[in-house]
Amino acid sequence: SQQGEEDPQALSIQEGENATMNCSYKTSINNLQWYRQNSGRGLVHLILIRSNEREKHSGRLRVTLDTSKKSSSLLITASRAADTASYFCAPVANNLFFGTGTRLTVIP
Amino acid sequence: DTEVTQTPKHLVMGMTNKKSLKCEQHMGHRAMYWYKQKAKKPPELMFVYSYEKLSINESVPSRFSPECPNSSLLNLHLHALQPEDSALYLCASSQVTTGTGTEAFFGQGTRLTVV
Repeated sequence: SQQGEEDPQALSIQEGENATMNCSYKTSINNLQWYRQNSGRGLVHLILIRSNEREKHSGRLRVTLDTSKKSSSLLITASRAADTASYFCAPVANNLFFGTGTRLTVIP
Repeated sequence: DTEVTQTPKHLVMGMTNKKSLKCEQHMGHRAMYWYKQKAKKPPELMFVYSYEKLSINESVPSRFSPECPNSSLLNLHLHALQPEDSALYLCASSQVTTGTGTEAFFGQGTRLTVV
């Protein structure tokens, strides 16, 4: 299956702290994408990293990809209460299959 | 316009009803998707359309019938659903299929309840 597996399943931190989420997958991929979902709403694309890239930054987000270990991580620095959401990785071979997700709670 | 619009936002239907979910985008995207999401679970891919042709059907029961009338529109026809089909149905689109390295844009979903 292309689906990723994320850990932790849930993460609770104080505002201002960093949050790290990990994603592991099993098949070869073309790219890996991260999405955020606020409760009961649509998903929002955060960042895409291609299989030949190792690290990518976007604002307070930092994504790494290790294709030899078939794993990726998403780091959110200086978290805010508004970052409270579910985060999904999607290791993409041909289509977008989502990982199990991490529910992040940022406490003000 | 970077929006994917889904209608209706909420739908309650009986098990003998026929209803349709609608999805529209005007970004010129040529790939469109339907996902089903149960509470506290990740979205599950149901169908992929590429250039208005069905390219992926993830073994979805025939009571769900997708249709892509043109490059901007995607419908999901529902018939004889079961209560376990109650879920959030999400539509998404991307320039081309995501394997080539494009992001997907999602609608806000239709919350379906089958009674």
